[in-house]
Amino acid sequence: DVKVTQSSRYLVKRTGEKVFLECVQDMDHENMFWYRQDPGLGLRLIYFSYDVKMKEKGDIPEGYSVSREKKERFSLILESASTNQTSMYLCASSPDRGFNQPQHFGDGTRLSIL
Amino acid sequence: KQEVTQIPAALSVPEGENLVLNCSFTDSAIYNLQWFRQDPGKGLTSLLLIQSSQREQTSGRLNASLDKSSGRSTLYIAASQPGDSATYLCAVSLYGNNRLAFGKGNQVVVIP
Repeated sequence: DVKVTQSSRYLVKRTGEKVFLECVQDMDHENMFWYRQDPGLGLRLIYFSYDVKMKEKGDIPEGYSVSREKKERFSLILESASTNQTSMYLCASSPDRGFNQPQHFGDGTRLSIL
Repeated sequence: KQEVTQIPAALSVPEGENLVLNCSFTDSAIYNLQWFRQDPGKGLTSLLLIQSSQREQTSGRLNASLDKSSGRSTLYIAASQPGDSATYLCAVSLYGNNRLAFGKGNQVVVIP
């Protein structure tokens, strides 16, 4: 079974802090994704990556950056956290660039910015 | 821009009834359509993936159909059980890349 692990289930940080959310997958998947999920807005794509050191902006990249130094790990960085970044963050992965493979999700990180 | 709609946002059904969940999308140039389940406070679990060339997929009590030309998909859950209570999300894979556009989900409660 594919396992996508997010480092924290719950996280509380302060405004202005630099925040790191970590995601690791154990199935050698090429593609990794970061989403945020908010009530009434659904899931929105922040960034995704097709390969090591590759990244592409999603629909809402402002205020975020990502890092993919190793194939199994995809980090989301909030450069200077703000209260409007309080949300549920979900990481996902899928194999190769073949487009008919489902995405596999982690359990999410509920981030609160005070 | 691809828009994915799921109506109604929430519904309740008595145990044993068949569940019918609808998903519509505005741009028919999709690569596939995926149905996911999400339990409260958890991530998403993939249920079914229908390729654009397919009409339906089945897994156990679940059946999903796809009518690409009309921009619609339906998820059927036969003989619903309380354990089927969850939010069901529909997502379409945009042609030419791996991005998914999600609907906002149907929150389902199966009443014992």
